[in-house]
Amino acid sequence: NAGVMQNPRHLVRRRGQEARLRCSPMKGHSHVYWYRQLPEEGLKFMVYLQKENIIDESGMPKERFSAEFPKEGPSILRIQQVVRGDSAAYFCASSPEGLGLDTQYFGPGTRLTVL
Amino acid sequence: AQSVTQPDIHITVSEGASLELRCNYSYGATPYLFWYVQSPGQGLQLLLKYFSGDTLVQGIKGFEAEFKRSQSSFNLRKPSVHWSDAAEYFCAVGPSGTYKYIFGTGTRLKVLA
Repeated sequence: NAGVMQNPRHLVRRRGQEARLRCSPMKGHSHVYWYRQLPEEGLKFMVYLQKENIIDESGMPKERFSAEFPKEGPSILRIQQVVRGDSAAYFCASSPEGLGLDTQYFGPGTRLTVL
Repeated sequence: AQSVTQPDIHITVSEGASLELRCNYSYGATPYLFWYVQSPGQGLQLLLKYFSGDTLVQGIKGFEAEFKRSQSSFNLRKPSVHWSDAAEYFCAVGPSGTYKYIFGTGTRLKVLA
């Protein structure tokens, strides 16, 4: 009964590089959410996706950040031209129903460090 | 604006002692309420949740929480803490009908042997 899987668990990038974070939802879940946890802060919602659709990206920075959840494969959060301020833990969650009807289950997170 | 406040950043208790972690929220209606625990290097594990009904909610690992509408609180309790409970605890609000959970800043629990 695998939970939400995220990889890599730790990612180090230099300023200006790209970061790709992957998330595989729990079996049977078709709704994925990405959250960011900055140091000493709580998690902040970034984006909500279903297969091949972005439902709500209101929490995602307008530039350099993008997310997808293809028909096959994991959801990807992509950060282009990373800056030091992108250093954070990025958590993915999944749920079976979506739209606030059910509980989100979280993965272990990817800790991004930008040098 | 909707918000969640966890007033205690750090709490230290002795093993076997009782525990209460505070959580206050600001929201116009009754939201969905959650407590998650995050062990070092791990993801968030759901301890318990409140959607409606009985205001005293039982969770995993011997935790319980009580929803008090008049105080806008959802405090987490455990009668006897174990050393393995040392972790960071997050209270979250899921405004009913939405998926945008709002998290508090967390309470880091230290347990003394």
